[in-house]
Amino acid sequence: ILNVEQSPQSLHVQEGDSTNFTCSFPSSNFYALHWYRWETAKSPEALFVMTLNGDEKKKGRISATLNTKEGYSYLYIKGSQPEDSATYLCALKPSGNTPLVFGKGTRLSVIA
Amino acid sequence: EPEVTQTPSHQVTQMGQEVILRCVPISNHLYFYWYRQILGQKVEFLVSFYNNEISEKSEIFDDQFSVERPDGSNFTLKIRSTKLEDSAMYFCASGRQENGYTFGSGTRLTVV
Repeated sequence: ILNVEQSPQSLHVQEGDSTNFTCSFPSSNFYALHWYRWETAKSPEALFVMTLNGDEKKKGRISATLNTKEGYSYLYIKGSQPEDSATYLCALKPSGNTPLVFGKGTRLSVIA
Repeated sequence: EPEVTQTPSHQVTQMGQEVILRCVPISNHLYFYWYRQILGQKVEFLVSFYNNEISEKSEIFDDQFSVERPDGSNFTLKIRSTKLEDSAMYFCASGRQENGYTFGSGTRLTVV
């Protein structure tokens, strides 16, 4: 059974602080890594799909890096805002025709 | 922006009753999925559907579950005889290719 781990489980930061969290996955089973942002009562929103070792993607103040050899991805948020408060999910796609395997998520709370 | 819509947003049902959860995927998408999240646990894969048939299912997706695409637009998940442990948030997702997902906002199923 593939295990995708996210840490920390939850995080409280002050508005304006930058923060990052980790997604770990088995490096031997890798096709793609997805990051989602999920606010309560809304759809999980796709942030990034990462496929190449060394990939770095950016969307506004949010960026992500990928290391497939060691099996981790970092998500960074620069200058956190209260509207960034959400659960950030990562999900591994082990091969092209297998479904996503999700981590448990990191719940971020940004305090004004 | 196109959305995946799910109805109802919340369903309460008696144990042993049948429920049908409805999803309208994005119209030009070909791949369809159901996932669920039991409170406090990871998002879990249930089933994927492509070309009018199940392409993959997890061990959770036993005989009490079924999926249908009855009219070319809706994608339904039926749970035949609900159990308490079926209480969860059920998410539908669709994609044009295997590597891109758009999620609906979920149906919260409560079995009492």
